[in-house]
Amino acid sequence: GAGVSQSPSNKVTEKGKDVELRCDPISGHTALYWYRQSLGQGLEFLIYFQGNSAPDKSGLPSDRFSAERTGGSVSTLTIQRTQQEDSAVYLCASSSAFGRVFHPEAFFGQGTRLTVV
Amino acid sequence: EDKVVQSPLSLVVHEGDTVTLNCSYEVTNFRSLLWYKQEKKAPTFLFMLTSSGIEKKSGRLSSILDKKELFSILNITATQTGDSAVYLCAVGAGAGSYQLTFGKGTKLSVIP
Repeated sequence: GAGVSQSPSNKVTEKGKDVELRCDPISGHTALYWYRQSLGQGLEFLIYFQGNSAPDKSGLPSDRFSAERTGGSVSTLTIQRTQQEDSAVYLCASSSAFGRVFHPEAFFGQGTRLTVV
Repeated sequence: EDKVVQSPLSLVVHEGDTVTLNCSYEVTNFRSLLWYKQEKKAPTFLFMLTSSGIEKKSGRLSSILDKKELFSILNITATQTGDSAVYLCAVGAGAGSYQLTFGKGTKLSVIP
């Protein structure tokens, strides 16, 4: 597609339920990021995928969070046993990484607003 | 721990005013600094800065980086109501150069 697509755009879930958030990156982009933005806060890095390399999961806040990227394209972020503090906007971004010296531009999706009640 | 601090946190100006947004950082092995504009949800890329003293310009927006004093500014001249947004500063640093550390943003409101 022309841009990064995320679904759903909004999700309300009950505490304790599992949720899956989906990200379709820009075609051909090898790098994919997940960020979280809580109300009034900056973006918080969660996880990074680059090609076929092992993902960097160092930003995941707990073992309730996991993510996978199938076929080097679509990514799914899963939150198990959701808690109220998981409420945030979850943003996905992709980029065409051109090296490790400079940061490539990252193009963001519209995000998924998750509300845990 | 890498840190990015933006100021002011919020700003209200009238159309036509010029504004300056600030971003200071403390990071290990600085790679680059990026500015984003966030309206509603998705941040959109504005500038990437890697060298000191070289101004990047796009229309009424411009930005410059000072790697000695560890800060960047984003200038917007002749502001318009469409400039109302949260402006995010992000810094990439370290051996894992793909990670970006974001500031909390500056919320700019331009009133007619």
